[in-house]
Amino acid sequence: ETGVTQTPRHLVMGMTNKKSLKCEQHLGHNAMYWYKQSAKKPLELMFVYSLEERVENNSVPSRFSPECPNSSHLFLHLHTLQPEDSALYLCASSQDVAGGLNTGELFFGEGSRLTVL
Amino acid sequence: QKEVEQNSGPLSVPEGAIASLNCTYSDRGSQSFFWYRQYSGKSPELIMSIYSNGDKEDGRFTAQLNKASQYVSLLIRDSQPSDSATYLCAASSGGSYIPTFGRGTSLIVHP
Repeated sequence: ETGVTQTPRHLVMGMTNKKSLKCEQHLGHNAMYWYKQSAKKPLELMFVYSLEERVENNSVPSRFSPECPNSSHLFLHLHTLQPEDSALYLCASSQDVAGGLNTGELFFGEGSRLTVL
Repeated sequence: QKEVEQNSGPLSVPEGAIASLNCTYSDRGSQSFFWYRQYSGKSPELIMSIYSNGDKEDGRFTAQLNKASQYVSLLIRDSQPSDSATYLCAASSGGSYIPTFGRGTSLIVHP
Protein backbone atom coordinates (compact mmCIF):
# COMPACT_ATOMS: atom_id res chain seq x y z
CA GLU A 1 0.00 0.00 0.00
CA THR A 2 1.06 3.56 -0.57
CA GLY A 3 0.23 6.96 0.93
CA VAL A 4 -1.90 7.39 4.00
CA THR A 5 -4.65 4.90 4.76
CA GLN A 6 -7.43 5.31 7.29
CA THR A 7 -9.84 2.78 8.72
CA PRO A 8 -12.73 2.56 9.07
CA ARG A 9 -13.96 4.85 6.32
CA HIS A 10 -17.38 5.15 7.95
CA LEU A 11 -18.33 4.71 11.58
CA VAL A 12 -21.66 5.06 13.36
CA MET A 13 -21.59 4.92 17.12
CA GLY A 14 -23.76 5.67 20.09
CA MET A 15 -22.77 8.11 22.78
CA THR A 16 -21.79 5.34 25.18
CA ASN A 17 -19.67 3.35 22.76
CA LYS A 18 -15.90 3.11 22.61
CA LYS A 19 -14.28 2.93 19.20
CA SER A 20 -10.95 3.72 17.56
CA LEU A 21 -9.85 5.26 14.30
CA LYS A 22 -6.66 3.98 12.72
CA CYS A 23 -4.20 5.69 10.41
CA GLU A 24 -1.13 4.25 8.72
CA GLN A 25 1.36 6.10 6.53
CA HIS A 26 3.72 4.44 4.05
CA LEU A 27 5.64 7.59 3.09
CA GLY A 28 8.48 7.44 5.61
CA HIS A 29 7.33 10.68 7.21
CA ASN A 30 8.11 11.61 10.80
CA ALA A 31 5.04 13.69 11.73
CA MET A 32 1.39 12.66 11.87
CA TYR A 33 -1.76 14.68 12.47
CA TRP A 34 -5.41 14.34 13.32
CA TYR A 35 -7.75 16.97 11.88
CA LYS A 36 -11.50 17.37 12.27
CA GLN A 37 -13.49 18.68 9.32
CA SER A 38 -17.05 19.88 9.88
CA ALA A 39 -19.32 21.51 7.35
CA LYS A 40 -18.68 25.24 6.80
CA LYS A 41 -15.67 25.26 9.12
CA PRO A 42 -11.92 25.34 8.50
CA LEU A 43 -9.93 22.22 9.16
CA GLU A 44 -9.46 21.97 12.93
CA LEU A 45 -6.15 20.63 14.14
CA MET A 46 -6.62 18.14 16.96
CA PHE A 47 -3.28 16.47 17.59
CA VAL A 48 0.21 16.44 16.14
CA TYR A 49 2.92 13.85 16.74
CA SER A 50 6.49 14.35 15.65
CA LEU A 51 8.90 11.44 16.05
CA GLU A 52 6.17 9.70 18.07
CA GLU A 53 5.96 12.47 20.65
CA ARG A 54 2.90 14.63 20.97
CA VAL A 55 3.87 18.20 20.15
CA GLU A 56 0.51 19.90 19.98
CA ASN A 57 -2.89 19.29 21.49
CA ASN A 58 -5.34 21.97 20.51
CA SER A 59 -7.51 21.85 23.65
CA VAL A 60 -9.35 18.82 22.43
CA PRO A 61 -11.91 17.28 24.83
CA SER A 62 -10.64 14.29 26.75
CA ARG A 63 -13.21 12.04 25.08
CA PHE A 64 -10.71 12.01 22.20
CA SER A 65 -7.50 10.18 23.06
CA PRO A 66 -4.64 9.85 20.56
CA GLU A 67 -2.01 7.15 20.45
CA CYS A 68 1.12 7.02 18.30
CA PRO A 69 2.98 3.73 18.87
CA ASN A 70 5.49 4.39 16.06
CA SER A 71 6.12 6.85 13.26
CA SER A 72 3.89 4.95 10.83
CA HIS A 73 0.78 4.45 12.93
CA LEU A 74 -1.64 6.80 14.61
CA PHE A 75 -4.86 6.04 16.46
CA LEU A 76 -7.70 8.15 17.74
CA HIS A 77 -9.60 6.48 20.57
CA LEU A 78 -13.17 7.66 21.00
CA HIS A 79 -15.41 7.32 24.03
CA THR A 80 -18.62 8.93 25.26
CA LEU A 81 -18.82 11.17 22.23
CA GLN A 82 -21.49 13.77 21.60
CA PRO A 83 -23.62 14.24 18.45
CA GLU A 84 -21.68 17.44 17.69
CA ASP A 85 -18.57 15.30 17.30
CA SER A 86 -20.01 13.92 14.08
CA ALA A 87 -17.58 14.97 11.35
CA LEU A 88 -14.93 13.81 8.93
CA TYR A 89 -11.73 12.93 10.78
CA LEU A 90 -8.66 13.29 8.64
CA CYS A 91 -5.24 11.85 9.29
CA ALA A 92 -2.22 13.41 7.62
CA SER A 93 1.52 12.99 7.59
CA SER A 94 4.46 15.21 6.71
CA GLN A 95 8.22 15.26 6.80
CA ASP A 96 9.36 17.64 9.52
CA VAL A 97 12.61 19.15 8.33
CA ALA A 98 14.38 19.91 11.61
CA GLY A 99 16.52 23.00 11.46
CA GLY A 100 15.49 23.85 7.93
CA LEU A 101 12.59 25.36 6.13
CA ASN A 102 9.52 23.63 7.43
CA THR A 103 7.60 21.93 4.72
CA GLY A 104 4.09 22.00 6.09
CA GLU A 105 3.22 19.85 3.10
CA LEU A 106 0.63 17.45 4.38
CA PHE A 107 -0.47 14.22 2.80
CA PHE A 108 -3.98 13.28 3.85
CA GLY A 109 -5.75 9.98 4.15
CA GLU A 110 -9.26 9.57 2.77
CA GLY A 111 -10.80 10.26 6.15
CA SER A 112 -13.12 8.49 8.55
CA ARG A 113 -16.71 9.75 8.45
CA LEU A 114 -18.03 9.56 12.01
CA THR A 115 -21.68 9.77 12.97
CA VAL A 116 -22.59 9.90 16.64
CA LEU A 117 -26.20 9.04 17.41
CA GLN B 1 -4.38 33.97 16.79
CA LYS B 2 -3.17 32.93 13.38
CA GLU B 3 -5.89 33.20 10.76
CA VAL B 4 -6.18 32.45 7.09
CA GLU B 5 -9.12 34.05 5.33
CA GLN B 6 -10.78 32.96 2.12
CA ASN B 7 -14.02 33.87 0.42
CA SER B 8 -16.19 30.77 0.67
CA GLY B 9 -17.74 31.38 -2.76
CA PRO B 10 -18.93 29.69 -4.78
CA LEU B 11 -16.82 31.14 -7.55
CA SER B 12 -18.38 30.24 -10.86
CA VAL B 13 -16.38 30.50 -14.09
CA PRO B 14 -17.01 29.22 -17.62
CA GLU B 15 -14.90 26.45 -19.06
CA GLY B 16 -11.69 27.81 -20.57
CA ALA B 17 -11.61 30.93 -18.40
CA ILE B 18 -9.07 31.88 -15.73
CA ALA B 19 -10.18 31.17 -12.18
CA SER B 20 -8.65 33.42 -9.54
CA LEU B 21 -8.70 32.29 -5.91
CA ASN B 22 -7.53 34.59 -3.15
CA CYS B 23 -6.35 34.22 0.42
CA THR B 24 -5.04 36.54 3.15
CA TYR B 25 -3.21 35.59 6.32
CA SER B 26 -2.73 37.35 9.64
CA ASP B 27 0.61 36.01 10.87
CA ARG B 28 3.46 38.10 9.46
CA GLY B 29 5.85 35.35 10.48
CA SER B 30 4.33 32.95 7.96
CA GLN B 31 6.92 31.65 5.54
CA SER B 32 5.31 28.74 3.73
CA PHE B 33 2.06 28.78 1.81
CA PHE B 34 0.03 26.01 0.29
CA TRP B 35 -2.97 25.37 -1.89
CA TYR B 36 -4.92 22.17 -1.44
CA ARG B 37 -7.74 20.93 -3.63
CA GLN B 38 -10.60 18.97 -2.10
CA TYR B 39 -13.19 17.27 -4.24
CA SER B 40 -16.59 16.64 -2.69
CA GLY B 41 -16.44 13.63 -0.40
CA LYS B 42 -12.67 13.34 -0.74
CA SER B 43 -9.67 14.45 1.32
CA PRO B 44 -7.50 17.51 0.59
CA GLU B 45 -4.70 17.07 -1.92
CA LEU B 46 -1.68 19.39 -2.08
CA ILE B 47 -1.42 21.07 -5.48
CA MET B 48 0.96 24.01 -4.93
CA SER B 49 3.52 25.24 -2.41
CA ILE B 50 5.13 28.67 -2.49
CA TYR B 51 7.79 30.12 -0.22
CA SER B 52 9.09 33.28 -1.94
CA ASN B 53 7.46 36.47 -3.15
CA GLY B 54 6.39 36.36 -6.76
CA ASP B 55 4.85 33.76 -9.01
CA LYS B 56 5.28 30.02 -9.19
CA GLU B 57 3.88 28.16 -12.15
CA ASP B 58 3.04 24.48 -12.48
CA GLY B 59 1.13 23.54 -15.59
CA ARG B 60 -2.19 25.38 -15.62
CA PHE B 61 -1.70 26.53 -12.01
CA THR B 62 0.10 29.68 -10.88
CA ALA B 63 0.54 30.58 -7.22
CA GLN B 64 1.28 34.20 -6.36
CA LEU B 65 2.68 35.43 -3.07
CA ASN B 66 2.92 38.99 -1.76
CA LYS B 67 4.28 38.95 1.79
CA ALA B 68 4.07 42.72 2.19
CA SER B 69 0.31 42.55 1.59
CA GLN B 70 -0.02 39.16 3.33
CA TYR B 71 -1.77 37.86 0.26
CA VAL B 72 -1.66 34.58 -1.63
CA SER B 73 -3.54 33.70 -4.76
CA LEU B 74 -4.02 30.75 -7.08
CA LEU B 75 -4.74 31.19 -10.76
CA ILE B 76 -6.10 28.32 -12.81
CA ARG B 77 -5.81 28.87 -16.54
CA ASP B 78 -8.03 27.15 -19.09
CA SER B 79 -10.38 26.02 -16.31
CA GLN B 80 -12.01 22.62 -16.80
CA PRO B 81 -15.14 21.16 -15.20
CA SER B 82 -12.80 18.70 -13.48
CA ASP B 83 -11.30 21.66 -11.59
CA SER B 84 -14.61 22.09 -9.75
CA ALA B 85 -13.70 21.56 -6.11
CA THR B 86 -13.01 23.41 -2.88
CA TYR B 87 -9.59 25.04 -2.73
CA LEU B 88 -8.00 25.38 0.68
CA CYS B 89 -5.30 27.93 1.41
CA ALA B 90 -2.85 27.21 4.22
CA ALA B 91 0.08 29.00 5.82
CA SER B 92 2.77 27.95 8.28
CA SER B 93 5.36 29.98 10.15
CA GLY B 94 9.06 29.45 10.57
CA GLY B 95 8.63 28.31 14.15
CA SER B 96 6.15 25.57 13.37
CA TYR B 97 5.66 23.23 10.48
CA ILE B 98 1.96 23.00 11.28
CA PRO B 99 -0.14 24.83 8.71
CA THR B 100 -3.22 26.90 9.50
CA PHE B 101 -6.04 26.39 7.01
CA GLY B 102 -8.65 28.72 5.62
CA ARG B 103 -12.29 27.70 5.19
CA GLY B 104 -11.79 27.07 1.50
CA THR B 105 -13.29 28.55 -1.66
CA SER B 106 -15.73 26.51 -3.70
CA LEU B 107 -14.98 26.69 -7.43
CA ILE B 108 -17.53 25.69 -10.05
CA VAL B 109 -16.42 25.47 -13.67
CA HIS B 110 -19.45 25.20 -15.94
CA PRO B 111 -19.35 23.94 -19.54
